[in-house]
Amino acid sequence: DVVMTQSPLSLPVTLGQPASIACWSSQSLVYKDGNTYLNWFLQRPGQSPRRLIYKVSNRDSGVPDRFSGRGSDTDFTLRINRVEAEDVGVYYCMQGTHWPYTFGQGTKLEIK
Amino acid sequence: EVQVVESGGDLVHPGGSLRLSCAASGFTFSNAWMTWVRQTPGKGLEWVGNIKPDGSKKYYVDSVKGRFAISRDNAENSLYLQMNSLRPEDTAVYYCARDPGGDSWGAFNIWGKGTTVTVSS
Repeated sequence: DVVMTQSPLSLPVTLGQPASIACWSSQSLVYKDGNTYLNWFLQRPGQSPRRLIYKVSNRDSGVPDRFSGRGSDTDFTLRINRVEAEDVGVYYCMQGTHWPYTFGQGTKLEIK
Repeated sequence: EVQVVESGGDLVHPGGSLRLSCAASGFTFSNAWMTWVRQTPGKGLEWVGNIKPDGSKKYYVDSVKGRFAISRDNAENSLYLQMNSLRPEDTAVYYCARDPGGDSWGAFNIWGKGTTVTVSS
């Protein structure tokens, strides 16, 4: 199975400051069709997860443009330009290239 | 409104069985890959399995193969998870979600609120 590793696991951030979460896969996430199925989800406290970004860098509608995703092959990053209070929660990367799908351990973002 | 609503979670003894349901609305269920994801207490997310729109293909994580079975009824816009030989480590919140499939594998864009399964004696 593909192992997804995130860093850091805990991320205290000052409001208005940037934040970055790294995600590595144990195998290339480039699928035979040329796409890379790396997705990012946010789970706010007490809520279900919601999708933020799909296929590495495609932001969902309604997701603020302060969120961005980048990367390729096995190395990926989620960046928040200026953290706001509503960004608190646990962020997960997840690969959909290989069966079984696998999630990272999650990164808990909190406000300092 | 586009939504999925899970039900059927309960307290069950080890070795027991349970069937979860997921009612979908607001989108064309019969065209959608559907998935089950679980979250163990205080821990992260684990993908459980997927089912193709016509039900002809199913994929599972190794830890549930041979014990869990995903099915669907497109006429009823419903997804199911039959769980047999339950173990304490199956204790989790189980989420139903839509997988966009060939367009964006694993990019679950509709999630339910989850239903809680507790396996304990």
